[in-house]
Amino acid sequence: DQQVKQNSPSLSVQEGRISILNCDYTNSMFDYFLWYKKYPAEGPTFLISISSIKDKNEDGRFTVFLNKSAKHLSLHIVPSQPGDSAVYFCAASAGNQAGTALIFGKGTTLSVSS
Amino acid sequence: DAGITQSPRHKVTETGTPVTLRCHQTENHRYMYWYRQDPGHGLRLIHYSYGVKDTDKGEVSDGYSVSRSKTEDFLLTLESATSSQTSVYFCAISPRGARTGGSNGGYTFGSGTRLTVV
Repeated sequence: DQQVKQNSPSLSVQEGRISILNCDYTNSMFDYFLWYKKYPAEGPTFLISISSIKDKNEDGRFTVFLNKSAKHLSLHIVPSQPGDSAVYFCAASAGNQAGTALIFGKGTTLSVSS
Repeated sequence: DAGITQSPRHKVTETGTPVTLRCHQTENHRYMYWYRQDPGHGLRLIHYSYGVKDTDKGEVSDGYSVSRSKTEDFLLTLESATSSQTSVYFCAISPRGARTGGSNGGYTFGSGTRLTVV
């Protein structure tokens, strides 16, 4: 039973356009969400996060939107660049307790063509 | 990342043999995690540790055991490797658990160990 769902395995976008990656979750206790980026043969690296008390967080070209009522978050990349081509993982956690681990989605592979 | 290293980077082993993967950190972080990445499954938690000798199971812990005898090392052992354990294994560290936040996000991941069980 997946608690964090990334229903699009892949996304192709042209350079300069917007990339929108989506993530849905089922656990209403989740209150902290993160996006990680992963290149082949490397470990995932942190990209951006958002707390449930916010509905938007922006960092340069990356913006994460959170819709708590829909249990949905999205990552917007504007403008997209070829170097953004990677696998993007959505992750979530519930509460700030010892032993709470991040739960990850299956990932979306983004391909940005020049 | 210099603060976390995994060894070996690649390993091929035979079914039924024991295998130990090592995660070493120099950040003195309290929390350490083992995940596996498989096509169609994303990253799944195997075991984690919240201190020396304090460990707990994750989502896919069957067939795996862990040990943490000192802060810097977290070992993952496959007692008797099976083909279904062929995967890429990632270790992650965190100073304050999943809610670290800040510019470093929740976790720092190692570069992974690609394990093939034949």
